Amino acid sequence: DAGVIQSPRHEVTEMGQEVTLRCKPISGHDYLFWYRQTMMRGLELLIYFNNNVPIDDSGMPEDRFSAKMPNASFSTLKIQPSEPRDSAVYFCASGGQGANYGYTFGSGTRLTVV
Amino acid sequence: GEDVEQSLFLSVREGDSSVINCTYTDSSSTYLYWYKQEPGAGLQLLTYIFSNMDMKQDQRLTVLLNKKDKHLSLRIADTQTGDSAIYFCADAVPPSGGYQKVTFGTGTKLQVIP
Repeated sequence: DAGVIQSPRHEVTEMGQEVTLRCKPISGHDYLFWYRQTMMRGLELLIYFNNNVPIDDSGMPEDRFSAKMPNASFSTLKIQPSEPRDSAVYFCASGGQGANYGYTFGSGTRLTVV
Repeated sequence: GEDVEQSLFLSVREGDSSVINCTYTDSSSTYLYWYKQEPGAGLQLLTYIFSNMDMKQDQRLTVLLNKKDKHLSLRIADTQTGDSAIYFCADAVPPSGGYQKVTFGTGTKLQVIP
């Protein structure tokens, strides 16, 4: 398995633009998580899905953020409109077997909003 | 769940043992994890321990759990320069509504001096 695949690896965009981050989880994993990592706030859980259904989106900062999982092999995190304070590394992770045995993280998308 | 705390930085000499410590507050934690993050990469699961265990060994890694004190440690024997990374402790609490909650610590940056 190629692991959790995220794209793009790097994204630089102007303030106000729409940004879409993509994730392909490991086949067979029924949990998918979106995290954001910054120096100031560390690792923050934004939202997670179980069997493609959003379960807890309480970590989504504001209405500018939205996430979807249309099928078991694909998820997106969208920011519209983007702001400089959204600059961070965004990670997708997936887990199987109830996610008890830990998650597999993707390599992340480094987002810079200028 | 709740808070997971770690010291921010640890420096050791190559060949020595490293001990990274973590404390957590939620007494209902069921699984505890150690993840490693190398520069520019996602978090990689190193090992996990179930809360009814007090020790787990895996090659150079030894995990100790003191459930009474809510203290978790990761010992790396014969530390190598390739072990330089940020190490995250995380705990999982029982499902609420059917889904578990994982909380990550702030990470400990391990620097190995040749």
